[in-house]
Amino acid sequence: AQSVAQPEDQVNVAEGNPLTVKCTYSVSGNPYLFWYVQYPNRGLQFLLKYITGDNLVKGSYGFEAEFNKSQTSFHLKKPSALVSDSALYFCAVRDNFGNEKLTFGTGTRLTIIP
Amino acid sequence: EAGVAQSPRYKIIEKRQSVAFWCNPISGHATLYWYQQILGQGPKLLIQFQNNGVVDDSQLPKDRFSAERLKGVDSTLKIQPAKLEDSAVYLCASTLDGDRNSPLHFGNGTRLTVT
Repeated sequence: AQSVAQPEDQVNVAEGNPLTVKCTYSVSGNPYLFWYVQYPNRGLQFLLKYITGDNLVKGSYGFEAEFNKSQTSFHLKKPSALVSDSALYFCAVRDNFGNEKLTFGTGTRLTIIP
Repeated sequence: EAGVAQSPRYKIIEKRQSVAFWCNPISGHATLYWYQQILGQGPKLLIQFQNNGVVDDSQLPKDRFSAERLKGVDSTLKIQPAKLEDSAVYLCASTLDGDRNSPLHFGNGTRLTVT
């Protein structure tokens, strides 16, 4: 069975500082990993994904994520936070083998403090 | 391109009543998903359609939930009768081909409150 964990319910970062939102996963095979963002009263928006290849993945709005196989992690990062980055962030994983569904984490609320 | 359309945006009903949600995916997207997002949790897949056929409904509470996509385009999700624990946001999503590495395109959801 696969699983994904977001260990922090809430992350607060000062505007202009770097931000990190953590995600760890567990799969039987190799993972397909995704980050989504959800603004209030909106659906989820795709930010980036890791399928294979380069461990550093770049996505929308200046976000990037680093795949670390040994630590089974896929942390979301941004060098300089904006107030507009304040939202709910979801990590999701799907095994590349078998019939597993896409599994979402419980979400991390990111607040950027002006 | 137009995004995934959902209606209504909000719905309040009493327990034991019935309710229906509608979704129109992005034009040309063959795969349609319904997710349930309970407050404080990540979305959970209820049902996946490929065109007008069901691919996965293993997590759909079939005693009270039903869904259809008769013409392989728009879809309706129904709850009858509703329970208090059905209060959630119901999200519709679509992808072009259902490939497991394709990102999902979500609608804005329907927030259901059951009193």
